[in-house]
Amino acid sequence: DAKTTQPNSMESNEEEPVHLPCNHSTISGTDYIHWYRQLPSQGPEYVIHGLTSNVNNRMASLAIAEDRKSSTLILHRATLRDAAVYYCILREGGGADGLTFGKGTHLIIQP
Amino acid sequence: DTAVSQTPKYLVTQMGNDKSIKCEQNLGHDTMYWYKQDSKKFLKIMFSYNNKELIINETVPNRFSPKSPDKAHLNLHINSLELGDSAVYFCASSHDQGNTEAFFGQGTRLTVV
Repeated sequence: DAKTTQPNSMESNEEEPVHLPCNHSTISGTDYIHWYRQLPSQGPEYVIHGLTSNVNNRMASLAIAEDRKSSTLILHRATLRDAAVYYCILREGGGADGLTFGKGTHLIIQP
Repeated sequence: DTAVSQTPKYLVTQMGNDKSIKCEQNLGHDTMYWYKQDSKKFLKIMFSYNNKELIINETVPNRFSPKSPDKAHLNLHINSLELGDSAVYFCASSHDQGNTEAFFGQGTRLTVV
């Protein structure tokens, strides 16, 4: 599986935008980029995923670099509830292999 | 209604015992998974079932045996529990094996003493 690299932790202020980076320089043409987050004492929660184009949903936006070697998860207005570990995951086109979680980024939100 | 529910939420048991964790999803999904999160918080896939058939079986001791009586259920039975089995076990489901979102349960914290 292609690997991803994320900062161990990031800090942001409440009500400000947050940009969470992810590097995936060995991504293949059929790998999708998935983001999940895990709030304390809960199971992982799907955030967003994309292949080549930028994606938006009610939770976040996903900006994918033109060469696809990196991506950024954007939380437009962070709240305290967004404090979690965010995982950037590559998944092969078929997706039959499940999710391979890395260490993720621990996002801390300051009030 | 909880989409993916696991029971029990907490399980404390002695070494050598046999225990089961149950998982049910009410989403009508075809694919279900078991993941393990160890004390260092690494999440690893253990098993994947699609339409009651085993698809993925990662390097897991054969003391762990998943059973899928129907598409909505994937139970995990563990024989001869060891201290190293202590972890949080998460069940998940997705519509199919493709690149669709996975829904996770709240986890079962297993402590072997």
